[in-house]
Amino acid sequence: KAGVTQTPRYLIKTRGQQVTLSCSPISGHRSVSWYQQTPGQGLQFLFEYFSETQRNKGNFPGRFSGRQFSNSRSEMNVSTLELGDSALYLCASSLDTANTEAFFGQGTRLTVV
Amino acid sequence: DAKTTQPPSMDCAEGRAANLPCNHSTISGNEYVYWYRQIHSQGPQYIIHGLKNNETNEMASLIITEDRKSSTLILPHATLRDTAVYYCIVRSRSNDYKLSFGAGTTVTVRA
Repeated sequence: KAGVTQTPRYLIKTRGQQVTLSCSPISGHRSVSWYQQTPGQGLQFLFEYFSETQRNKGNFPGRFSGRQFSNSRSEMNVSTLELGDSALYLCASSLDTANTEAFFGQGTRLTVV
Repeated sequence: DAKTTQPPSMDCAEGRAANLPCNHSTISGNEYVYWYRQIHSQGPQYIIHGLKNNETNEMASLIITEDRKSSTLILPHATLRDTAVYYCIVRSRSNDYKLSFGAGTTVTVRA
């Protein structure tokens, strides 16, 4: 079956702009989580969505937001981009129980200049 | 969340078993041990998880000590493609949908 698909793979934006990243989970998976990975902070949890509702949120400013659609696809948005937002953004999908494995996409590499 | 401690790096010879230790001395009874790995520039990949019994799948074996304060991930026959950062994560079986990644262990498999 198809894996987790993230688009775009690479993105370059200017400070102050906003960006929207997309994630299509594995078919049948209803939970989608987002993570940010930077060399300094490692992998950090952003938020998790299930059935269009945000269930869990990490410690990120309000400029980071997300949503999930009825087909479980998810988007995350970062507004007023800062240089420090340059990172690999990873999406993971899993079934609707807490203790199943999460499957990650290849990520979107965002560079803010 | 319970914390985990892993060595920052280790080397392994190709074809030999790789034993990756993880300490989780504050783990509680309802928390699982998960292992993921991340090959350079790719998303993390699930390897295995367990609660208290030893587990084995096609990728690896997970040995959890009886007191559950530590565990070892075993890659039985390491290949060059196993070079990656390996993360040991403790995760609650209740409403904990996030994975808390630490720094992991950078494993380098050498020919």
